[in-house]
Amino acid sequence: NAGVTQTPKFQVLKTGQSMTLQCAQDMNHNSMYWYRQDPGMGLRLIYYSASEGTTDKGEVPNGYNVSRLNKREFSLRLESAAPSQTSVYFCASSEGPGAASPLHFGNGTRLTVT
Amino acid sequence: GEDVEQSLFLSVREGDSSVINCTYTDSSSTYLYWYKQEPGAGLQLLTYIFSNMDMKQDQRLTVLLNKKDKHLSLRIADTQTGDSAIYFCAERIDSSASKIIFGSGTRLSIRP
Repeated sequence: NAGVTQTPKFQVLKTGQSMTLQCAQDMNHNSMYWYRQDPGMGLRLIYYSASEGTTDKGEVPNGYNVSRLNKREFSLRLESAAPSQTSVYFCASSEGPGAASPLHFGNGTRLTVT
Repeated sequence: GEDVEQSLFLSVREGDSSVINCTYTDSSSTYLYWYKQEPGAGLQLLTYIFSNMDMKQDQRLTVLLNKKDKHLSLRIADTQTGDSAIYFCAERIDSSASKIIFGSGTRLSIRP
């Protein structure tokens, strides 16, 4: 039982390049999330998907797009990377509304944009 | 607005109790969570509390919730070196029940 799997673990991009961060969960969870973590700023919500077929903006959505491909997979795309997007990106999933439904996190993707 | 605040650092002596504090602004929060992050790793859930409770105890962990003041605390009894980590509080925003907002995290260091 892998939980939440993120790929890649590390990535270096040049300014203006694009890439997609992949996330998959095997817990049959309804909700999935993308956060970024920067020193001193904690985790900030980029986008989330409350259920398959829906996506919503979080606190810092600019410069990102997401796709909820199916119930298992939720990808994050950077169309034109900028140095300000250098960060550690975490994907998470939860059962969804209605109960305590805590988040289960992947191990993160460390992204550097030069 | 939605905001969760924590102090950035806490240093305690091994064997003492650690108390990590958190304040939040959204009065409609339903659940509040504490997560632990060790270096280079993702976040692990430590415990959570429902907003109609004022205390929850789980082994060495005690969570206190003051809903009137929108204040949450995590007490770790008999702090050990393995407790060194960053601790995040988070709230589930009721108006959009899937949305979960995190604080900036408190880095706990342990002195011998």
